[in-house]
Amino acid sequence: GAVVSQHPSRVICKSGTSVKIECRSLDFQATTMFWYRQFPKQSLMLMATSNEGSKATYEQGVEKDKFLINHASLTLSTLTVTSAHPEDSSFYICSAIAGGPETQYFGPGTRLLVL
Amino acid sequence: QKEVEQNSGPLSVPEGAIASLNCTYSDRVSQSFFWYRQYSGKSPELIMSIYSNGDKEDGRFTAQLNKASQYVSLLIRDSQPSDSATYLCAVNWRATNKLIFGTGTLLAVQP
Repeated sequence: GAVVSQHPSRVICKSGTSVKIECRSLDFQATTMFWYRQFPKQSLMLMATSNEGSKATYEQGVEKDKFLINHASLTLSTLTVTSAHPEDSSFYICSAIAGGPETQYFGPGTRLLVL
Repeated sequence: QKEVEQNSGPLSVPEGAIASLNCTYSDRVSQSFFWYRQYSGKSPELIMSIYSNGDKEDGRFTAQLNKASQYVSLLIRDSQPSDSATYLCAVNWRATNKLIFGTGTLLAVQP
């Protein structure tokens, strides 16, 4: 299957700082990427849809000014958690569409811990 | 009603048995259905996709779709301890590219 990478895999930061997470499609071009958040023992919740060269589309309840998404190229999307707080601690996972309009392949995830 | 519903489990089966995982969805417009496997602390891994009514087989896995009943299932034959994981059902919401996930079913295969 298609390969999606994320960096970093784990990050610990102080409350009030910003954290940037990168998502890359390694062997294909992805016009659309998605960002999810998963809290312990819960399912994946879609945060936003990231489209190359245009503004991201955020799901209801997700603060676009807090979770900044940039999709500058066909292989890279970034999620910046601004002014992170402990309640933002979660597992952030990106995915990209490859090999067809519906099939999503997921990155390995980034575990964020805000102290 | 939740958009995608699964029994959270845990579903416990002995090694070598058939594990049956079920999922119902609320949106009649949805056309694409997926099963993902997620090990603890890892991201989801695509197992199967299914788009048409009926069965689709891939190795030990069989996905079944019944659009009239808004029901999709996954059968795992000859279950192995390595199959122990959370299985997530996902549906393309309203025929868009968005995936809506169920809460997942935890499968435990006992050696």
